[in-house]
Amino acid sequence: TQLLEQSPQFLSIQEGENLTVYCNSSSVFSSLQWYRQEPGEGPVLLVTVVTGGEVKKLKRLTFQFGDARKDSSLHITAAQPGDTGLYLCAGESYNTDKLIFGTGTRLQVFP
Amino acid sequence: KAGVTQTPRYLIKTRGQQVTLSCSPISGHRSVSWYQQTPGQGLQFLFEYFSETQRNKGNFPGRFSGRQFSNSRSEMNVSTLELGDSALYLCASSLVGGQGGYEQYFGPGTRLTVT
Repeated sequence: TQLLEQSPQFLSIQEGENLTVYCNSSSVFSSLQWYRQEPGEGPVLLVTVVTGGEVKKLKRLTFQFGDARKDSSLHITAAQPGDTGLYLCAGESYNTDKLIFGTGTRLQVFP
Repeated sequence: KAGVTQTPRYLIKTRGQQVTLSCSPISGHRSVSWYQQTPGQGLQFLFEYFSETQRNKGNFPGRFSGRQFSNSRSEMNVSTLELGDSALYLCASSLVGGQGGYEQYFGPGTRLTVT
């Protein structure tokens, strides 16, 4: 069974702090996506990374795909209360042609 | 362009009943996937439909079924509901699905409560 483990599971920080969320697996993925989900809503796609070692920036968010395409990280600079939500990584599997979702990281940013 | 819509948004059912949930994908998207989300298990893949055919299936019992219509709209059905079926059911659409086409756009979900 392919698993995507995210850490930390919960993160509670003050506005202005930096944070990093990790997404790890023993499997190789053809691409990896990051989503943010707010209460009562479906996940919203933030970014897709495809190439090993790829780095993408979205305003204060920086996403990196590991060289071996087994892991990814999401770094948020100067977090704001609007960043609060559930962050999910999802890997596209070579073997099963499915999207495997990570365990999720729940982020709370206090003003 | 309108997003993914799901109906109903909230549903309360009794054990043993059956339920049908509906999903309308983004116009032009041909792939529709269904997921179950619970606090304990996270987001779990149910099945994917593409061009009216089930292309992929997760590890759920046969009580969970789905279908897709020629206009790409999809329905999922859960028969003989159990308490453990209480969850947020999410539908996601993508242009083609499959390898390289899995940028999915999610609907707001249907919150199902089984009592």
